[in-house]
Amino acid sequence: QKEVEQDPGPLSVPEGAIVSLNCTYSNSAFQYFMWYRQYSRKGPELLMYTYSSGNKEDGRFTAQVDKSSKYISLFIRDSQPSDSATYLCAMSHSSASKIIFGSGTRLSIRP
Amino acid sequence: KAGVTQTPRYLIKTRGQQVTLSCSPISGHRSVSWYQQTPGQGLQFLFEYFSETQRNKGNFPGRFSGRQFSNSRSEMNVSTLELGDSALYLCASSVDSPQETQYFGPGTRLLVL
Repeated sequence: QKEVEQDPGPLSVPEGAIVSLNCTYSNSAFQYFMWYRQYSRKGPELLMYTYSSGNKEDGRFTAQVDKSSKYISLFIRDSQPSDSATYLCAMSHSSASKIIFGSGTRLSIRP
Repeated sequence: KAGVTQTPRYLIKTRGQQVTLSCSPISGHRSVSWYQQTPGQGLQFLFEYFSETQRNKGNFPGRFSGRQFSNSRSEMNVSTLELGDSALYLCASSVDSPQETQYFGPGTRLLVL
């Protein structure tokens, strides 16, 4: 079993829809939770990070962490075609430990 | 501010050869991490260097090695290349903690024949 599980998709939604992306994990020691976006032929780009549990909002993006269920989510409101990319979740135990990535979910926003 | 740069961008090698990839971090960043990305395994952590010292290491064989120089530039080396080493190798830099801020370069695409 992988430490971090992420549905690879692809996920296709119409423009303006709310998108929900999720990851589950098995290691309860994870404390840092991150979401990255990767466009085709580009390196990943950090969207948000959360320490421990709770919610964090940044513009159209909201990250949620539920440590009791070992489940994290990224919500995208008012989705745009420019949001079409692969979204990767990532986690680590501490600020000095290695980062484990999910396999990524490919998202397509239809105009 | 210039972003993370990686050279070369593309590389073709044959089995058994060795390869050295280079990464120049963003100015002022002291942490450099290396990752391997493949369609089958996704993005996997290789190692992280901070102030010229390896701070973390992933689960890769000893054929994969790296180093960091005093100006924070980093190199990774793969010896005795195997077909399975074909991948996109990504370098990322951060001021201190990769968890809070980490900027990726465009990657070096390595093909092993």
